[in-house]
Amino acid sequence: KAGVTQTPRYLIKTRGQQVTLSCSPISGHRSVSWYQQTPGQGLQFLFEYFSETQRNKGNFPGRFSGRQFSNSRSEMNVSTLELGDSALYLCASSLDSQAFFGQGTRLTVV
Amino acid sequence: QKEVEQNSGPLSVPEGAIASLNCTYSDRVSQSFFWYRQYSGKSPELIMSIYSNGDKEDGRFTAQLNKASQYVSLLIRDSQPSDSATYLCAFSGAAGNKLTFGGGTRVLVKP
Repeated sequence: KAGVTQTPRYLIKTRGQQVTLSCSPISGHRSVSWYQQTPGQGLQFLFEYFSETQRNKGNFPGRFSGRQFSNSRSEMNVSTLELGDSALYLCASSLDSQAFFGQGTRLTVV
Repeated sequence: QKEVEQNSGPLSVPEGAIASLNCTYSDRVSQSFFWYRQYSGKSPELIMSIYSNGDKEDGRFTAQLNKASQYVSLLIRDSQPSDSATYLCAFSGAAGNKLTFGGGTRVLVKP
């Protein structure tokens, strides 16, 4: 069974730009969550989607948004990028409360 | 007070010894508890999940949960150099799959 697939693996963007990250969950998993990992703040929850609906949301500004498609694939978007948005963005696919992470997208904002 | 507290380490353990990791949490409605292992530059990997009080064993790993004390621990028996990693404690509440993570404990197993 294929794992969670995130694309792209690496991104370099300039301040003020926007970025879209993609996540394909494990087949059969309907819940997809997004996390931001930084050395200073650790792993922080962004949001969770289940059956195309946002089910939970973390404490991030409105510049961070997401969506889920009917095939459970999910995207997250960050607009007006700031230097502090540089981080590893992780997608997790869940079934029966257990979450499995993708390899992540390393975003660098310059 | 942080929602999940872990000693950041590093926890240095001789090869073959037992590594003992601890985690306390503040949210009493927490339902499910997890331990993840994260190697440097990699994503977290789920190694244990525990939902009720008591011990749960899986291979060389044993997780212990005490909801009354709001405490969860992980024991790694017969530690190997390949166990050197950061171990993250996490919990989820009653609704959805939102995970709240601790800062992680770095474990170093020395041959």
